[in-house]
Amino acid sequence: DADVTQTPRNRITKTGKRIMLECSQTKGHDRMYWYRQDPGLGLRLIYYSFDVKDINKGEISDGYSVSRQAQAKFSLSLESAIPNQTALYFCATSRNTGELFFGEGSRLTVL
Amino acid sequence: QQQVKQSPQSLIVQKGGISIINCAYENTAFDYFPWYQQFPGKGPALLIAIRPDVSEKKEGRFTISFNKSAKQFSLHIMDSQPGDSATYFCAARSSSGSARQLTFGSGTQLTVLP
Repeated sequence: DADVTQTPRNRITKTGKRIMLECSQTKGHDRMYWYRQDPGLGLRLIYYSFDVKDINKGEISDGYSVSRQAQAKFSLSLESAIPNQTALYFCATSRNTGELFFGEGSRLTVL
Repeated sequence: QQQVKQSPQSLIVQKGGISIINCAYENTAFDYFPWYQQFPGKGPALLIAIRPDVSEKKEGRFTISFNKSAKQFSLHIMDSQPGDSATYFCAARSSSGSARQLTFGSGTQLTVLP
């Protein structure tokens, strides 16, 4: 089983719909992250959490929210999806701000 | 504003050749420079990393060259193989501030022809 699991792996939705992407990890890491990948733009940080009570905005947090339900679970929500949120989303974990361990990604298409 | 500039965007190399990907940065507070490798359908994974107190780090066929004065670092893949075909991301982390998060480059799609 993967150490960092993302669900769903693929999702197609319509503009205005609420979407939640979920991430769970078995690595025992305190730190969890959500990144967005777009062609030509690399990986950009949306939100990160250093523990259950700690949530921080990243570079591109507008239009997104997160919830850290437990040490092992970190979910990303789009309250009202728009087409320019179409992207590949990655959850990652780390023990510190060194090596990141990524999930396999969630591809979101907003029509 | 992209703090880490990566080039080229795509690279095609013959099997056995040398692949070179370059990155440049402006923030002199960066103190950790990793490279991540991403295969299609997978998440990125750490390949190799360097700190600015050394000019080169080698792991097998992969070498990072670091030029602190020029604020540039590069990944060299010697004897490139078709299995090296992937997207490569450079990244940098600041030594200051409470966040110390990684800033990624835009990525390079490497294709190694058989």
